[in-house]
Amino acid sequence: DTAVSQTPKYLVTQMGNDKSIKCEQNLGHDTMYWYKQDSKKFLKIMFSYNNKELIINETVPNRFSPKSPDKAHLNLHINSLELGDSAVYFCASSLPGNTQYFGPGTRLTVL
Amino acid sequence: SQQGEEDPQALSIQEGENATMNCSYKTSINNLQWYRQNSGRGLVHLILIRSNEREKHSGRLRVTLDTSKKSSSLLITASRAADTASYFCATDTLNRDDKIIFGKGTRLHILP
Repeated sequence: DTAVSQTPKYLVTQMGNDKSIKCEQNLGHDTMYWYKQDSKKFLKIMFSYNNKELIINETVPNRFSPKSPDKAHLNLHINSLELGDSAVYFCASSLPGNTQYFGPGTRLTVL
Repeated sequence: SQQGEEDPQALSIQEGENATMNCSYKTSINNLQWYRQNSGRGLVHLILIRSNEREKHSGRLRVTLDTSKKSSSLLITASRAADTASYFCATDTLNRDDKIIFGKGTRLHILP
């Protein structure tokens, strides 16, 4: 009974393709997040959704579009993938004001 | 998955006092990071310490690393109300997947 799950764990794709990463949490949390782990291994916030509404939208290319069909899911769709999109992407969830629970990460490799 | 362990899970101190949080991990690492999460916001990177380093400073933050004990500590000196947040340690693994693994965090509350 995984708390925060992401699929796939590994994704290898060609430049220019469109791909999605899915995230699901079974914790009943209202807020979900997407982070990108950069080349220095630092995590940077990309998006945050609270009850399916966008709360945080950091400066990311508009090729990245989060989609939240319900509050237990926050998917990340990426159009026209570029080499620089290669990274590990983490999903997380939390109750408002509480600490975050992280998924295992998805390693995206763009060739 | 979260495999690190921060301790304590929650900490309340008076403003001006020092706050110390600890992190233990299970496997050998290349580096360890500390992050802060303010209420309702995303994580903010604080400091990274490499496995061959024992201590690192950044402003009011002091991080130590003891690889023989697989533990790290984060010291915040002269705490302020704005330091109220959750603090996470994160370790990389020596696997080639390049992922980092977070602990469950310490919730720090600075009392006025």
